[in-house]
Amino acid sequence: EAGVTQFPSHSVIEKGQTVTLRCDPISGHDNLYWYRRVMGKEIKFLLHFVKESKQDESGMPNNRFLAERTGGTYSTLKVQPAELEDSGVYFCASSQDGNRGITNTEAFFGQGTRLTVV
Amino acid sequence: AQSVTQLGSHVSVSEGALVLLRCNYSSSVPPYLFWYVQYPNQGLQLLLKYTTGATLVKGINGFEAEFKKSETSFHLTKPSAHMSDAAEYFCAVSGTGNQFYFGTGTSLTVIP
Repeated sequence: EAGVTQFPSHSVIEKGQTVTLRCDPISGHDNLYWYRRVMGKEIKFLLHFVKESKQDESGMPNNRFLAERTGGTYSTLKVQPAELEDSGVYFCASSQDGNRGITNTEAFFGQGTRLTVV
Repeated sequence: AQSVTQLGSHVSVSEGALVLLRCNYSSSVPPYLFWYVQYPNQGLQLLLKYTTGATLVKGINGFEAEFKKSETSFHLTKPSAHMSDAAEYFCAVSGTGNQFYFGTGTSLTVIP
């Protein structure tokens, strides 16, 4: 069974440009999460989808970030326009059970997209 | 509110020595606690988790962790380090919502 896959693995863009990150969760997982790790700091929650609905987007930094999950399958995270402080590793995770995130099941993480804004 | 503190951003041990990675948490509700590992160029992989029940939890690759409520700790240990254990380790707590709160990570180096 395929795991959580993220595209691209690396992206280098100039300040002011737009970047779109993609996450394909494990098939059948209703819950999809985005996290971000800024270098040297903790991994921080961005938002949580249940199917195509945003359950919690309290971690989104500002309105330059837009996440979508049309049809409840893959998700995209767009940053427009990108700023230097947006650099970091963006992780996506999926799980079957959304009750407290993980009860009887675990959250499966992708390998991350390393975004560098120059 | 939930938070995690990992003491030591870098830990080095000799091959065959004890591995001890420290994690302290803060939680306003009974915590669910997790350790994840990230090997180079890979995603986060679950090592072990504590939800309820036995406080000593065994995970993959010979790792284990003990939930100590009185100390608000969930330290990760392995009796004998292997070269393949070199990776970054993250402690996390899940809160009342559906998200994890992660620590800043500990990079483990194993010296031959």
